[in-house]
Amino acid sequence: AQRVTQPEKLLSVFKGAPVELKCNYSYSGSPELFWYVQYSRQRLQLLLRHISRESIKGFTADLNKGETSFHLKKPFAQEEDSAMYYCALRSYSGGGADGLTFGKGTHLIIQP
Amino acid sequence: EPEVTQTPSHQVTQMGQEVILRCVPISNHLYFYWYRQILGQKVEFLVSFYNNEISEKSEIFDDQFSVERPDGSNFTLKIRSTKLEDSAMYFCASSERGPQHFGDGTRLSIL
Repeated sequence: AQRVTQPEKLLSVFKGAPVELKCNYSYSGSPELFWYVQYSRQRLQLLLRHISRESIKGFTADLNKGETSFHLKKPFAQEEDSAMYYCALRSYSGGGADGLTFGKGTHLIIQP
Repeated sequence: EPEVTQTPSHQVTQMGQEVILRCVPISNHLYFYWYRQILGQKVEFLVSFYNNEISEKSEIFDDQFSVERPDGSNFTLKIRSTKLEDSAMYFCASSERGPQHFGDGTRLSIL
């Protein structure tokens, strides 16, 4: 069975400080990993996917298969980064029909 | 930017009643999904739908649930006889093949 673990329910950092949101997964096959963000009163939005290897809003995430991790990082947090962040996984080879397995989410609060 | 739309935003229903949640996926998308999130818990996959049939479903998606694409635009989730534990946010999502795009959700409250 596949599982996504986000160990921190709440993470509070000061503006300008570095941020790291942890995500670990267990999956026997080849995973595709995503980070979704949900700003207050808004829908879940895709932030990053590991195969794109891009930086969005200053965030990056690297898939570490040895550590089965996909941590989300940003060097300098901004107040507008305050939101719920969800790590999600699906089978890389499953085509488009596979459902996502989500972590419980981390509530990131950026203090001024 | 095209969006997934869901109606209603909030549905209140008596236990035992049938409820239909509606979704309009993004128009050129081929894959459709339903998820739910019970208050305080994680987002959970219910079902995926492709080429007019269910592709994958989770253990949660039992005989009380059904999905349908009644026309070229809508994608619905029906719960036949609602239970108190069906109270949750229900999210619809769609994709071409890559990332899934989510709607705002329908809050379902069972009394």
